[in-house]
Amino acid sequence: AQKVTQAQTEISVVEKEDVTLDCVYETRDTTYYLFWYKQPPSGELVFLIRRNSFDEQNEISGRYSWNFQKSTSSFNFTITASQVVDSAVYFCALVAGGGNKLTFGTGTQLKVEL
Amino acid sequence: GAGVSQSPRYKVAKRGQDVALRCDPISGHVSLFWYQQALGQGPEFLTYFQNEAQLDKSGLPSDRFFAERPEGSVSTLKIQRTQQEDSAVYLCASSLGSPVEQYFGPGTRLTVT
Repeated sequence: AQKVTQAQTEISVVEKEDVTLDCVYETRDTTYYLFWYKQPPSGELVFLIRRNSFDEQNEISGRYSWNFQKSTSSFNFTITASQVVDSAVYFCALVAGGGNKLTFGTGTQLKVEL
Repeated sequence: GAGVSQSPRYKVAKRGQDVALRCDPISGHVSLFWYQQALGQGPEFLTYFQNEAQLDKSGLPSDRFFAERPEGSVSTLKIQRTQQEDSAVYLCASSLGSPVEQYFGPGTRLTVT
């Protein structure tokens, strides 16, 4: 069985602060895929990134960066210089076991205030 | 290009009524997924289609839930004899295949009174 844990229920920061959202996953499979999605107040899930289990390289996209560490089964997401528009619920998700369905964590509500 | 669309966006049903939720995937996407999202929770998988074939329906909570995609494009999720616990947002997603990234629609918020 697969499981994704996002221990941080809610995080509040002041604009321009850096913030890291934690994600810990569980799977017995050696081949799996990890994802991050953003869900703004409008409700539509927006795809941010996909990583496969064979590629541990960290990735940076603008103010976003991701740290994938198989040794700790973690796939953490950092927003640098946060902005009010970053306020949303962020979900980490996993596909494993040769299947296709996403297993989501419970999400982290990020509030960025002025 | 057009994204995934869902209709209706909001649906209020009285307990016991049947409802039908529609999903229009991105053109050319062979894979289509339905998820259920309860308030304050992450989406939970319901069912998966590859073209018109329903390959996985392990997440459907009861036999009151039924999904179809007869021509491999538009899909309908039907819930019979709705119950209050069916109140949730129903999300549809599509992808070019799997396990590539899934693109989500805006969801249908179902409220059963």
